[in-house]
Amino acid sequence: QVQLQESGPGLVKPSGTLSLTCVVSGGSISSDFWWSWVRQPPGKGLEWIGEVYRGGITNYNPSLKNRVTISVDKSKNQFSLKLSSVTAADTAVYFCARADYRTFDYWGQGTLVTVSS
Amino acid sequence: QSVLTQPPSVSGAPGQRVTISCTGSSSSIGAGYDVQWYQQFPGTAPKLLIHSNNNRPSGVPDRFSGSKSGTSASLAITGLQADDEADYYCQSYDSSLRGVVFGGGTKLTVL
Repeated sequence: QVQLQESGPGLVKPSGTLSLTCVVSGGSISSDFWWSWVRQPPGKGLEWIGEVYRGGITNYNPSLKNRVTISVDKSKNQFSLKLSSVTAADTAVYFCARADYRTFDYWGQGTLVTVSS
Repeated sequence: QSVLTQPPSVSGAPGQRVTISCTGSSSSIGAGYDVQWYQQFPGTAPKLLIHSNNNRPSGVPDRFSGSKSGTSASLAITGLQADDEADYYCQSYDSSLRGVVFGGGTKLTVL
């Protein structure tokens, strides 16, 4: 059974960089899937942030593209998210997920990141 | 404002049938991209309910079904139960935006 677990700081200062990691267990990050980040502001809907493939190929939400970097670390079986120049609007629960041809079949439990001074 | 449009809320009595619509455009659902549906309870991660328009993953009851026509898709829930009360999201791909898109979500209330 594939499991994903997010980790990272729960509080980030405005204008800083949000950094999260998602560890994958029960499966290899080098398998034929895309590894994604999705976020959900408090009380609001889901927003796709972007994805990375095993070889490092990435796709990003155009609205966030200038601030987002998603990378994969095969040696640790994990992938990471960096979001720069954050504001209060980036406060959200951040989920990592596995995508099988644009279908998110496995999700992490989510981690709340608050942007505040 | 979400690229895929869903009603903010729907409701139904136990045992009844409800449907949730998801309206896209010619660059998303209308372009032939598959639609997925997710169920989310408060404080938890979304769970895949329907994939590829009308396919249920193992373990999802056959009370849940999906359909797609033109630029829209629908999720139907029959034999409504109290524990179906949750938020439901549709998801697809948009070629103009070059990315995955979600609906705004629909809150299902079981009366």
